[in-house]
Amino acid sequence: GQNIDQPTEMTATEGAIVQINCTYQTSGFNGLFWYQQHAGEAPTFLSYNVLDGLEEKGRFSSFLSRSKGYSYLLLKELQMKDSASYLCAVRERSNYQLIWGAGTKLIIKP
Amino acid sequence: EAGVAQSPRYKIIEKRQSVAFWCNPISGHATLYWYQQILGQGPKLLIQFQNNGVVDDSQLPKDRFSAERLKGVDSTLKIQPAKLEDSAVYLCASSFRLAGGSYNEQFFGPGTRLTVL
Repeated sequence: GQNIDQPTEMTATEGAIVQINCTYQTSGFNGLFWYQQHAGEAPTFLSYNVLDGLEEKGRFSSFLSRSKGYSYLLLKELQMKDSASYLCAVRERSNYQLIWGAGTKLIIKP
Repeated sequence: EAGVAQSPRYKIIEKRQSVAFWCNPISGHATLYWYQQILGQGPKLLIQFQNNGVVDDSQLPKDRFSAERLKGVDSTLKIQPAKLEDSAVYLCASSFRLAGGSYNEQFFGPGTRLTVL
């Protein structure tokens, strides 16, 4: 079956580094997306991984291991504006649709 | 480039009433999605259009929900009659199809927050 697991909530300190994990099970994998969603707003695209390894984009990096069904989003030099929910979504190979996790609410403290 | 437009932003109705949401995707994006997002959950796909055709509506509660995209551009999602459990944010997203058959990332509109009393 299809399943995506993420921690419900995490807390980190401004200026620090945080890693948000995502594990997934899918019948056919065609890429993994990370989206950021501020409270009351729409999700916005952060990163896409389809091959194993690390993709770096400024303060944000995303890692994928297809054999382990595992990804993480790494946020460096945390800022207060990074307080948001982070959604992991896996694209199904059969129909290219996204299967979404419930999201991880990240709380940044001064 | 203009983003995905949705209206209204907020709607409060009583159960058994009807409601409609409108979405205008990014210009050139042939694929349009309607999602339902309940508080604390990830988005749930209701229906996917490719131009004016339905690709997938397997999770659309067809006894009360309907959607159309007659000219392959903007789209409307309707609920009739609404139930309490329909209270959620309704997100519209769009993307374009890549040469290999896959899609680029989805771009989301601001959503419509529906409260059913």
